Amino acid sequence: QKEVEQNSGPLSVPEGAIASLNCTYSDRGSQSFFWYRQYSGKSPELIMSIYSNGDKEDGRFTAQLNKASQYVSLLIRDSQPSDSATYLCAVRSNAGGTSYGKLTFGQGTILTVHP
Amino acid sequence: EPEVTQTPSHQVTQMGQEVILRCVPISNHLYFYWYRQILGQKVEFLVSFYNNEISEKSEIFDDQFSVERPDGSNFTLKIRSTKLEDSAMYFCASSVAGSYEQYFGPGTRLTVT
Repeated sequence: QKEVEQNSGPLSVPEGAIASLNCTYSDRGSQSFFWYRQYSGKSPELIMSIYSNGDKEDGRFTAQLNKASQYVSLLIRDSQPSDSATYLCAVRSNAGGTSYGKLTFGQGTILTVHP
Repeated sequence: EPEVTQTPSHQVTQMGQEVILRCVPISNHLYFYWYRQILGQKVEFLVSFYNNEISEKSEIFDDQFSVERPDGSNFTLKIRSTKLEDSAMYFCASSVAGSYEQYFGPGTRLTVT
């Protein structure tokens, strides 16, 4: 059973701080990793994708991937109250290298940014 | 910016009834997916669809479920005989050729009574 694990939180940070969200996965052959944001009652919204070891930055968001440790993280700098949401880690199965590999999601980490 | 759309936003049905959930993927996307999320639980993969056939399906996607692309724009999920445990949010997603990124629609909340 391929698993994606996240600390469910809640993670509470003050406005302006860095929020650090972590995810581990069990399938060593996984190649594609995604972070989605989900507001309560809404659908997952893609915020970052990462495919190679190291860091990938996009605005206030930085995704970090360490395939040897089977670990992916998301840093949110200068956190805002509007960042308060559930952050979902998703891992794409390596379905023969094709684009229709399913995503396996973690439980999500609830982030609360307080003013 | 193009978006995945889904209808209806909320569907209430009685146990044993058939429901059809509809999705319009982003127009240049070729890969389509259905996921579901039971309240308070993980998002779960149901099925992927490419070139008018199922590419992969999960153990949840049993004989009660079917998918179809009846025309050039719609992608549907049919549940033949709904059960109470089918109550969930159902999300359609799509991706473009050459990209692994999947974009989700707003979802249909299915309530089976």
